[in-house]
Amino acid sequence: AQKITQTQPGMFVQEKEAVTLDCTYDTSDPSYGLFWYKQPSSGEMIFLIYQGSYDQQNATEGRYSLNFQKARKSANLVISASQLGDSAMYFCAMWSGGYQKVTFGIGTKLQVIP
Amino acid sequence: DSGVTQTPKHLITATGQRVTLRCSPRSGDLSVYWYQQSLDQGLQFLIQYYNGEERAKGNILERFSAQQFPDLHSELNLSSLELGDSALYFCASSPEGTENTEAFFGQGTRLTVV
Repeated sequence: AQKITQTQPGMFVQEKEAVTLDCTYDTSDPSYGLFWYKQPSSGEMIFLIYQGSYDQQNATEGRYSLNFQKARKSANLVISASQLGDSAMYFCAMWSGGYQKVTFGIGTKLQVIP
Repeated sequence: DSGVTQTPKHLITATGQRVTLRCSPRSGDLSVYWYQQSLDQGLQFLIQYYNGEERAKGNILERFSAQQFPDLHSELNLSSLELGDSALYFCASSPEGTENTEAFFGQGTRLTVV
């Protein structure tokens, strides 16, 4: 079975500060990929970052980085220098090659405070 | 703009009816994914097509079906609609058959069943 757990229903962060959104996963498949998506209030889903299970280095995309700890089965998203436009729902997701499916977490609502 | 087009944006229909949601992927993308986002179930993967063939199946009900046409656009058919089918339905596309790359989401179709 596959499972994604996001334990923070809501988070607040001060503008220009860094914030970490937690994600843990469970899979028996050795080959998988982890994703983070952002969903603003307008509803669209925006891809942020991807980490493959065999990637040796943590993924980074601009202000986004993924803190991948394989032994702990965690894939936390770090947003540096938060901006007001970062206020949104953030979803962690996993693709499993063996199970051939995508599983999403329930999301974390991030609010950036001026 | 992700380049993925979904129509219609909003749909209101009665229980027991049948609707068709349409998705045009980004130019050159061979894979199309369908997702359902509801308040109680979160974001659920429904099905994936790759170059016209079904590639992966998620939590798709038997009342739902999908297909991908030779021009790579896809349709999701929902029949015998129930109140619980009210949700935001997303289509996403990616260049390849395995989701180890970025998937681009459309704006979604908001379905309301009354």
